Amino acid sequence: AQKITQTQPGMFVQEKEAVTLDCTYDTSDPSYGLFWYKQPSSGEMIFLIYQGSYDQQNATEGRYSLNFQKARKSANLVISASQLGDSAMYFCAMREAYSNYQLIWGAGTKLIIKP
Amino acid sequence: DGGITQSPKYLFRKEGQNVTLSCEQNLNHDAMYWYRQDPGQGLRLIYYSQIVNDFQKGDIAEGYSVSREKKESFPLTVTSAQKNPTAFYLCASSTGGGLAGEQFFGPGTRLTVL
Repeated sequence: AQKITQTQPGMFVQEKEAVTLDCTYDTSDPSYGLFWYKQPSSGEMIFLIYQGSYDQQNATEGRYSLNFQKARKSANLVISASQLGDSAMYFCAMREAYSNYQLIWGAGTKLIIKP
Repeated sequence: DGGITQSPKYLFRKEGQNVTLSCEQNLNHDAMYWYRQDPGQGLRLIYYSQIVNDFQKGDIAEGYSVSREKKESFPLTVTSAQKNPTAFYLCASSTGGGLAGEQFFGPGTRLTVL
């Protein structure tokens, strides 16, 4: 069974609009962490934001925020005021204590920002 | 500047040849990882090492080998036993165990088997 599901293979968004990238996860471990990474066309993975399963508040980092809905096992990435440079692949990943803290990755969402 | 370097950026190999991908980090991280990425897919873990002279198989270790003789270096050898080695390979490092520490990535090596 898929542990990380990203249901949007691709998205087109108008520049300056907000965008939400979906991520659902599956775990029975009460202690886990959720990550979002950006992969531009150059290939390097860039860390964006982290949310721990016990964190009471949603994580925010600049224009990035994580909409964490624990009961729904959802960890959507929200990018406010999108920019052309946001065009990239975006990956959701999870780390569980059960899995020796290794990262489990979703298939990614390709985001294209239109001018 | 601290970071992770991978070389070469592009690598071409004939079938039946072994090739070694280099990964070096100067972040003083204990843990290092090798991932494989195929088009349209997420990352899959090949091998990881949490300390010098120790490493563990990931989900797709068959046909690959690694060594960790120095903290800074974690080379990956793609052997002729790997049936479909054409892919993008990413090396990463992190401070070690625990939930919160993010992994830092190198720029990747794109391997093509001719």
